[in-house]
Amino acid sequence: GESVGLHLPTLSVQEGDNSIINCAYSNSASDYFIWYKQESGKGPQFIIDIRSNMDKRQGQRVTVLLNKTVKHLSLQIAATQPGDSAVYFCAERAGTGGFKTIFGAGTRLFVKA
Amino acid sequence: DTAVSQTPKYLVTQMGNDKSIKCEQNLGHDTMYWYKQDSKKFLKIMFSYNNKELIINETVPNRFSPKSPDKAHLNLHINSLELGDSAVYFCASSQVGGGRFRHTEAFFGQGTRLTVV
Repeated sequence: GESVGLHLPTLSVQEGDNSIINCAYSNSASDYFIWYKQESGKGPQFIIDIRSNMDKRQGQRVTVLLNKTVKHLSLQIAATQPGDSAVYFCAERAGTGGFKTIFGAGTRLFVKA
Repeated sequence: DTAVSQTPKYLVTQMGNDKSIKCEQNLGHDTMYWYKQDSKKFLKIMFSYNNKELIINETVPNRFSPKSPDKAHLNLHINSLELGDSAVYFCASSQVGGGRFRHTEAFFGQGTRLTVV
């Protein structure tokens, strides 16, 4: 069936280190991918997106890499800060017309000060 | 200004009751969604509405009835609440129309934590 991501794993990093969060997707027809950050008690917030005609996109301290060959997404966070601690979700826009966004299971990031 | 707002933030109710959650977006988006997040943080789409028209219904029990009076509002009514309905429900909106490269990411509300006792 459709699936994006893995069951909720946890990543623990030291403040100042770089973080890499990985995600696998299964729908090869998806053409738009998004990373969201969810802090405790809040809704998911957009971090960065990438369309399938690209393989890399950079934002402020974040980079998304897309490997369509193996259907893999990754989110790299440079110089991780305590405020980056949250659950991170990858998501893909699937289905006719782009009305359906499928979320992965999420990764919990802990940043140690 | 809150982009996507939903009320109430918390809802505690007994099994068998009927309850509603309201959602409004002021972003001018043409598409609104309801998502359910379970205790393991898994986010699953329930419904998608585009210009007030139901586009996606992800095999949600018919006790759940969304209603979109206009493009800026998408309410969720739940009949005969069950224990398994306890979760956090998120409303979201995005722009889908206007061509493939007009797609935006979804903007989410703060969530409604529903507890059925």
